[in-house]
Amino acid sequence: DVKVTQSSRYLVKRTGEKVFLECVQDMDHENMFWYRQDPGLGLRLIYFSYDVKMKEKGDIPEGYSVSREKKERFSLILESASTNQTSMYLCASSLWAGGLQDEQFFGPGTRLTVL
Amino acid sequence: AQRVTQPEKLLSVFKGAPVELKCNYSYSGSPELFWYVQYSRQRLQLLLRHISRESIKGFTADLNKGETSFHLKKPFAQEEDSAMYYCALSLGAAGNKLTFGGGTRVLVKP
Repeated sequence: DVKVTQSSRYLVKRTGEKVFLECVQDMDHENMFWYRQDPGLGLRLIYFSYDVKMKEKGDIPEGYSVSREKKERFSLILESASTNQTSMYLCASSLWAGGLQDEQFFGPGTRLTVL
Repeated sequence: AQRVTQPEKLLSVFKGAPVELKCNYSYSGSPELFWYVQYSRQRLQLLLRHISRESIKGFTADLNKGETSFHLKKPFAQEEDSAMYYCALSLGAAGNKLTFGGGTRVLVKP
């Protein structure tokens, strides 16, 4: 059973703070993703990684950075949190399927509030 | 850039009635299309994918390349179908990223 875990379910931070969101998967998946989920906007891809130390910008990378030092762990960093980054953050992972999209498995989400 | 549109934010139907969730996409190539579902207090999970051509929980979806649509249908809605549904598209490029629509909330009334 694939397990994707996220370090916090709820987080409250102040404007300007540096915020770390951690994601760990236990199924040896090559691909990992960070999304934010907002009502009416669906899921928007922030960053993804298809290998250790590799990262690719998604659709909304501004204000975020990522780190993937180990295959199982993918961290999202908000260098200086702002109120417009208040959102639900979802992490996901999937197998590399040779160019085809394999099923993405999602974590429970972290609801971040920036005051 | 590719885009996925789900025109209905909310669909409210009675139990036993048919339900159809619309999904339209913009992409000139051959995409892979998916439906993901999020039940209350549960994780987002894959419902079905067009290449599988299978029915899951009574739902089916047909890819219509001419109309660039991938509508999700179920002939008889059940209360347990109440959830948030997202249509998603992949170009199959390196990294296997998905582009999601805005989502449709389905409420099945008893």
